[in-house]
Amino acid sequence: GNSVTQMEGPVTLSEEAFLTINCTYTATGYPSLFWYVQYPGEGLQLLLKATKADDKGSNKGFEATYRKETTSFHLEKGSVQVSDSAVYFCALSPFSGGYNKLIFGAGTRLAVHP
Amino acid sequence: DTGVSQDPRHKITKRGQNVTFRCDPISEHNRLYWYRQTLGQGPEFLTYFQNEAQLEKSRLLSDRFSAERPKGSFSTLEIQRTEQGDSAMYLCASSSRAGETADTQYFGPGTRLTVL
Repeated sequence: GNSVTQMEGPVTLSEEAFLTINCTYTATGYPSLFWYVQYPGEGLQLLLKATKADDKGSNKGFEATYRKETTSFHLEKGSVQVSDSAVYFCALSPFSGGYNKLIFGAGTRLAVHP
Repeated sequence: DTGVSQDPRHKITKRGQNVTFRCDPISEHNRLYWYRQTLGQGPEFLTYFQNEAQLEKSRLLSDRFSAERPKGSFSTLEIQRTEQGDSAMYLCASSSRAGETADTQYFGPGTRLTVL
């Protein structure tokens, strides 16, 4: 079946530290991969996505590369800010293009301190 | 484009009561999804509409749950005879059929249900 596994949180970092949140997936076929972010008191927002192997998604200084050989889509940011404190969800949709339900990981809470 | 809206934002009800939630998707989006999120977990898929047709329902959606999208615009999710285990955040998302963002689901703020 299809599933997503994320590293457990919380992740606590100082401002300007390097961030990695690990995400691995299991899927039949060729999924699209996503990172969504949920800021305190707000709804889920798409952070970045990649639709095929070796694609790199990027947004707001965050990056993730679709690695088919390791079935991974790790989220990275070179220098985090206090405003990045949020819960981050890795997700996949089983088929690229067309209708797709999203399958989410459990989420990783990030807390950034000044 | 005002984004996906959901109403109400919060609902407190007693066990055994019926509740109904509404979702208004982004206006040009013909695909609409419902998810449920419990504390500390990621959202779980409940059901999917393309226009007014309900094309997939999760096994999570018991007989007490029903969803509609009568004119292919807004959607409602009704829970009959609520149970304490129904307490969760109910999320709605929409997406377009084509274009650069065809894969991207845009989420509403959710309706938080508390069953006492």
